[in-house]
Amino acid sequence: SQTIHQWPATLVQPVGSPLSLECTVEGTSNPNLYWYRQAAGRGLQLLFYSVGIGQISSEVPQNLSASRPQDRQFILSSKKLLLSDSGFYLCAWSTPGLGGQPQHFGDGTRLSIL
Amino acid sequence: GQQVMQIPQYQHVQEGEDFTTYCNSSTTLSNIQWYKQRPGGHPVFLIQLVKSGEVKKQKRLTFQFGEAKKNSSLHITATQTTDVGTYFCAGRDAGGTSYGKLTFGQGTILTVHP
Repeated sequence: SQTIHQWPATLVQPVGSPLSLECTVEGTSNPNLYWYRQAAGRGLQLLFYSVGIGQISSEVPQNLSASRPQDRQFILSSKKLLLSDSGFYLCAWSTPGLGGQPQHFGDGTRLSIL
Repeated sequence: GQQVMQIPQYQHVQEGEDFTTYCNSSTTLSNIQWYKQRPGGHPVFLIQLVKSGEVKKQKRLTFQFGEAKKNSSLHITATQTTDVGTYFCAGRDAGGTSYGKLTFGQGTILTVHP
């Protein structure tokens, strides 16, 4: 069966520090991968998605970047965090395809910027 | 771009009462999906509807996809405290070219008073 791992679960970082969140998927090949951010009590904002190694699509201009160095690894990064980067970051995967397949989420990372 | 609106934003019910959340898209959808996020948790896929006018049931939950494939609803009969959480709809634009990308509604936060 497929599993998705996301870490760390919580993170407290000072303003201006770098960030690296990692997400890995097991049990499937060539998944679509997604990074979302969720503000408290709000909906899901799609940040990045990837349909293959090295292929990243950015949805909103921001202080973040994403990379996919391996088929089942997705990394969210920032060189210098802003206060507005606080939130709940969720990684998700779906089977490949154009049709909008169901997405399966990791447990998320709660990021607090001080 | 595509927008998915969900109402109401909040719903408070007494245990045993029914609950309905509505989802409306600005564009025709190829499919609609529903997710549930428990407090402190991550979204979990519930169901996908694909056909115009489709109705699906999962125990006390009834999901409908509109005839024009632009709206959907989730109805819960006789709510229980285990139904507490945020319910999201998510759809894929029928005319979209972005592989696998879904647009999420803002969610309906359901609280159930025992």
